[in-house]
Amino acid sequence: ETGVTQTPRHLVMGMTNKKSLKCEQHLGHNAMYWYKQSAKKPLELMFVYSLEERVENNSVPSRFSPECPNSSHLFLHLHTLQPEDSALYLCASSRGDRTGYEQYFGPGTRLTVT
Amino acid sequence: RKEVEQDPGPFNVPEGATVAFNCTYSNSASQSFFWYRQDCRKEPKLLMSVYSSGNEDGRFTAQLNRASQYISLLIRDSKLSDSATYLCVVIPSNTGKLIFGQGTTLQVKP
Repeated sequence: ETGVTQTPRHLVMGMTNKKSLKCEQHLGHNAMYWYKQSAKKPLELMFVYSLEERVENNSVPSRFSPECPNSSHLFLHLHTLQPEDSALYLCASSRGDRTGYEQYFGPGTRLTVT
Repeated sequence: RKEVEQDPGPFNVPEGATVAFNCTYSNSASQSFFWYRQDCRKEPKLLMSVYSSGNEDGRFTAQLNRASQYISLLIRDSKLSDSATYLCVVIPSNTGKLIFGQGTTLQVKP
């Protein structure tokens, strides 16, 4: 176990639905990340939070809205998604957001938008 | 040009074979380099860091060539359990932002 949990593990939603992905880390880390992994494409960094402050928003559409209420929890709120948003969404955490820190990934949420 | 490029494979090798993967990166100011491993339908996990002088961890050897901007991973005496996708990861200077390659898939056959 990596110490990073994600719920739900699988999610099917319609384009008009609103849902949220949850990530929790039990490692005492200060930085948390959301990544998107689509088939046949590299992992794409979406958001970075360091000490609960968003430090990076990698040109992600506004239909994805992150929330970091504390250093252990990270949410990704979803609304009016498109079918091309179907992917594996991975959460990760690390001791800090600077170079050299290993990132630990959660198991991911496999999202299908219908 | 992609920031990090890998041959997606798949590489199909017999048990006991030696296999090598290369990865090229475009940002010459990149500072840190890693290999991650991702099993089918699982999350990526750190396999090893890549140091300028090259480093070895058991059957795995990683090397960095800054002049040519590539890193490599050598796996000796392949095991069935080595079957996975190997992700090349580059971190630009002074950031924690991981740039992933597409991954190279290895299938070790009995």
